[in-house]
Amino acid sequence: AQSVAQPEDQVNVAEGNPLTVKCTYSVSGNPYLFWYVQYPNRGLQFLLKYITGDNLVKGSYGFEAEFNKSQTSFHLKKPSALVSDSALYFCAVRDGMNRDDKIIFGKGTRLHILP
Amino acid sequence: DSGVTQTPKHLITATGQRVTLRCSPRSGDLSVYWYQQSLDQGLQFLIQYYNGEERAKGNILERFSAQQFPDLHSELNLSSLELGDSALYFCASSVAGGGSSYEQYFGPGTRLTVT
Repeated sequence: AQSVAQPEDQVNVAEGNPLTVKCTYSVSGNPYLFWYVQYPNRGLQFLLKYITGDNLVKGSYGFEAEFNKSQTSFHLKKPSALVSDSALYFCAVRDGMNRDDKIIFGKGTRLHILP
Repeated sequence: DSGVTQTPKHLITATGQRVTLRCSPRSGDLSVYWYQQSLDQGLQFLIQYYNGEERAKGNILERFSAQQFPDLHSELNLSSLELGDSALYFCASSVAGGGSSYEQYFGPGTRLTVT
């Protein structure tokens, strides 16, 4: 069975500092990993994904994520945080062994960027 | 704008009633997914349809049902509503189904309030 964990409910970062939002996963086969962002009263927006290849994946709005197979992690990062990055971030995983497209989402991490 | 539309935006109804939520996927997308987002349960996958057929099932109650029509729009029917069904309901779409690595694109959601 596939699962994903976001160990932090909330992360506070000062504007201009680097940010990291943590995610760990568990799957039987190869993982397909995704990050989404949700702004207030909006739907989720796709940020980036890892399917295969380079462990460092670059996405929208200057975000990137590092896939670490040995630690089963896929942490979201940004070198310099903006106040506008404040939002709810979801990590999601799909087990590449499954024939269906069921994606499991983490509970979300609320990111606060302090001016 | 993701290209996924959902109607209505808001819905207020009484316990025991039945409602229908509607979703139109992005042009060209064959898969439609339904999710429920509540404060205590996070983002829960309900069901997926691919080109008119049910592809994957998640934590969908027996009181809930969905279908995807030949024009690929989808409807989620919620019946015998309970207070606990109050939540945000999201629809998402993706290009393919059946084990793909494609990301999903989310609509703006329907906020259901059961009184």
